[in-house]
Amino acid sequence: DAKTTQPNSMESNEEEPVHLPCNHSTISGTDYIHWYRQLPSQGPEYVIHGLTSNVNNRMASLAIAEDRKSSTLILHRATLRDAAVYYCILADRDNYGQNFVFGPGTRLSVLP
Amino acid sequence: NAGVTQTPKFRVLKTGQSMTLLCAQDMNHEYMYWYRQDPGMGLRLIHYSVGEGTTAKGEVPDGYNVSRLKKQNFLLGLESAAPSQTSVYFCASSLIAGGAYEQYFGPGTRLTVT
Repeated sequence: DAKTTQPNSMESNEEEPVHLPCNHSTISGTDYIHWYRQLPSQGPEYVIHGLTSNVNNRMASLAIAEDRKSSTLILHRATLRDAAVYYCILADRDNYGQNFVFGPGTRLSVLP
Repeated sequence: NAGVTQTPKFRVLKTGQSMTLLCAQDMNHEYMYWYRQDPGMGLRLIHYSVGEGTTAKGEVPDGYNVSRLKKQNFLLGLESAAPSQTSVYFCASSLIAGGAYEQYFGPGTRLTVT
């Protein structure tokens, strides 16, 4: 299975942008890059996903490297509510079974 | 829309007891999943379903059974609970499987087996 590598933890100041990196050097052509986050004592929450092009939604932006071997989740203006564990996951477009593999993720702390 | 709901939120079992966790979704999703999350770790897939009446094993299926009698419900059963099954259990659903589609998660059930 394709795997991702993320830093264990990161810190950010409130109201500043946050760039969360993810490396996935063994990504295949049919792997989508997904980001989820998990707030304390809650279930994972979908953030964003993409295949090749950069993606934007109301929560975040996803910047995908041209060779697709890395990606960055961008929170444009961190708030205290963004403190969570962020998971970067590769999910094969053609895999209809066990597709989402959650690693330990990056624990983001937001300082007031 | 309630999204994905799970019942109960908390449960304490003694070793050897049985119980069923209920997951319900109101989004008309075809696919449903059961994960477990142990402290400090990511989620691991227990079982999943690709549609009403179907189930399949995930990464850690031993000690669990599932049923999907109705499209909107996915049940996870523990026939004889063991302390190693102490965990937080999350249910998820997706419109269609495959990497192009996101999964939506429930709030979780915290299970302790003593």
